[in-house]
Amino acid sequence: DAKTTQPPSMDCAEGRAANLPCNHSTISGNEYVYWYRQIHSQGPQYIIHGLKNNETNEMASLIITEDRKSSTLILPHATLRDTAVYYCIVRQKTSGSRLTFGEGTQLTVNP
Amino acid sequence: DSGVTQTPKHLITATGQRVTLRCSPRSGDLSVYWYQQSLDQGLQFLIQYYNGEERAKGNILERFSAQQFPDLHSELNLSSLELGDSALYFCASSEGLAGTTDTQYFGPGTRLTVL
Repeated sequence: DAKTTQPPSMDCAEGRAANLPCNHSTISGNEYVYWYRQIHSQGPQYIIHGLKNNETNEMASLIITEDRKSSTLILPHATLRDTAVYYCIVRQKTSGSRLTFGEGTQLTVNP
Repeated sequence: DSGVTQTPKHLITATGQRVTLRCSPRSGDLSVYWYQQSLDQGLQFLIQYYNGEERAKGNILERFSAQQFPDLHSELNLSSLELGDSALYFCASSEGLAGTTDTQYFGPGTRLTVL
């Protein structure tokens, strides 16, 4: 699976948008971009995934650049409960493939 | 709540002992994955089962084994435990259907402490 690069930490004010970047310059055409988050030793929580189009769900938006070498996860109105480690993962399109977690980004939402 | 359940929530045992961790996947999911999260290694894939059969292996020690039963629940067996096996163990499940993105959903984990 392609390697991803994320900033180790970010801060965001409560109520503002949190924009979390991820570089995946070696991504191949059959790989998805997945985002998970982990709140203090709880099980990782699925957020969103995409292939090449921008995606939005009730939790977040995912913006993938046209060349697919980077992406941004957007939490539109961050709350204190969004404080977590966010993992950007590039994963094979085939079903059943493992998730390879990196270090992730520690997002701290401040009041 | 992801729909994946894991028991027990906490487990404290001694070196050399054997323990069994249990996972029940989401209703309808055929694939089960086991991951280990330790302080120095991060989240690492251990092993995957699909409909009762082993599908993929990651960094799983020979002292560890797993199986998936006909009712699709899975167990991870850890034997000859060492201090370094202390970690969070997560189970995840997915539909396992070919041609889908097959998103994995994680359980709350089992915290294993080896003294």
